[in-house]
Amino acid sequence: EPEVTQTPSHQVTQMGQEVILRCVPISNHLYFYWYRQILGQKVEFLVSFYNNEISEKSEIFDDQFSVERPDGSNFTLKIRSTKLEDSAMYFCASSVLEEGTQYFGPGTRLLVL
Amino acid sequence: EDKVVQSPLSLVVHEGDTVTLNCSYEVTNFRSLLWYKQEKKAPTFLFMLTSSGIEKKSGRLSSILDKKELFSILNITATQTGDSAVYLCAVEDGSGTYKYIFGTGTRLKVLA
Repeated sequence: EPEVTQTPSHQVTQMGQEVILRCVPISNHLYFYWYRQILGQKVEFLVSFYNNEISEKSEIFDDQFSVERPDGSNFTLKIRSTKLEDSAMYFCASSVLEEGTQYFGPGTRLLVL
Repeated sequence: EDKVVQSPLSLVVHEGDTVTLNCSYEVTNFRSLLWYKQEKKAPTFLFMLTSSGIEKKSGRLSSILDKKELFSILNITATQTGDSAVYLCAVEDGSGTYKYIFGTGTRLKVLA
């Protein structure tokens, strides 16, 4: 069964460093999303992406964040200069249709020291 | 402000018990309500509900939506230890892109 994959599963970085989180959405899906979940808190929407453009972003998704679909399969989230409060689980999701069910990847746990 | 509220926050039951998890919402442009099960990591999809009063079932799990009263329930009958997880309710907001607004989840622990 096709699934969303994410790499790495865990990443530890120093504050101020750049990180890139990678996602491979399900191959026939056209809509892509990033969510984050700070430990013990709820899953929060970051950004949605379609047709090589950001469709919508939350207030969390500030200038430190960017997304890209560098090729036909990968979907990346870049954090330019990480802060301690960026420590969280980051989930990628994809859907076939704009209003379709979103399927989540296994997540990347990011720890910023 | 859009919000999704789940109750209870946590629940401990014994195997064989039946549980009911609640999700209420206030969303500007409701499209659908989804239930996910979150174990170690990623939320896994359970149900999508778009119409009031139509029960969705999958094995021992069932769910129903009330769009008038703005809530949904997730029922699990004959619970098993493998049902222990956080159950997330998400509402799809159709204004703009169809992002999900998640509740805080209900942590269910089923004891043997």
